[in-house]
Amino acid sequence: DQQVKQNSPSLSVQEGRISILNCDYTNSMFDYFLWYKKYPAEGPTFLISISSIKDKNEDGRFTVFLNKSAKHLSLHIVPSQPGDSAVYFCAASEEGYNFNKFYFGSGTKLNVKP
Amino acid sequence: KAGVTQTPRYLIKTRGQQVTLSCSPISGHRSVSWYQQTPGQGLQFLFEYFSETQRNKGNFPGRFSGRQFSNSRSEMNVSTLELGDSALYLCASSSGLAGLSSYNEQFFGPGTRLTVL
Repeated sequence: DQQVKQNSPSLSVQEGRISILNCDYTNSMFDYFLWYKKYPAEGPTFLISISSIKDKNEDGRFTVFLNKSAKHLSLHIVPSQPGDSAVYFCAASEEGYNFNKFYFGSGTKLNVKP
Repeated sequence: KAGVTQTPRYLIKTRGQQVTLSCSPISGHRSVSWYQQTPGQGLQFLFEYFSETQRNKGNFPGRFSGRQFSNSRSEMNVSTLELGDSALYLCASSSGLAGLSSYNEQFFGPGTRLTVL
């Protein structure tokens, strides 16, 4: 049973526009969320994270929004660049003993067109 | 600082065989987690080792096992391989220190691509 879901397997955006990647989760105990970016033939690299005590975290062109009541988070990339083309995974974990056990979504492949 | 290394990078096996994958974490990191990535399923958590002990476990059958050595290097073993075990196996290292997840950013290796024929 997928506890973290990314319902859009792919997204295509024009360079300079906003990319919005979405992620839903079912476990209300999740309280720490991350986004990873993955290029072909490489492992995922950490992009940005957010704790459940916040509803927004920003890092340069990347902003993550968290809506706990809807169990939904999103990653906004503004402006999108061709180098952002990659697969993006969201992940979630619980604080406490299982804090290092992460649940990942199935990924969204972003294509930023020049 | 050297990154996470995984060996071998590619592996082809036949059904029924067993396989061992290796992961060397970043120096100083004591936690190693293993994930299976298949198309459409994303990354699925296999297990995490910390200080030579399995600390967390995912929902995989007992054919999947692992261990960690005193130098934090970890191995993952899959016995009696099935066609469905074909996947990219990723390991990730982190400090693993007790506390908030935010203190434990995971660094991934490039993965081992396992093909079962």
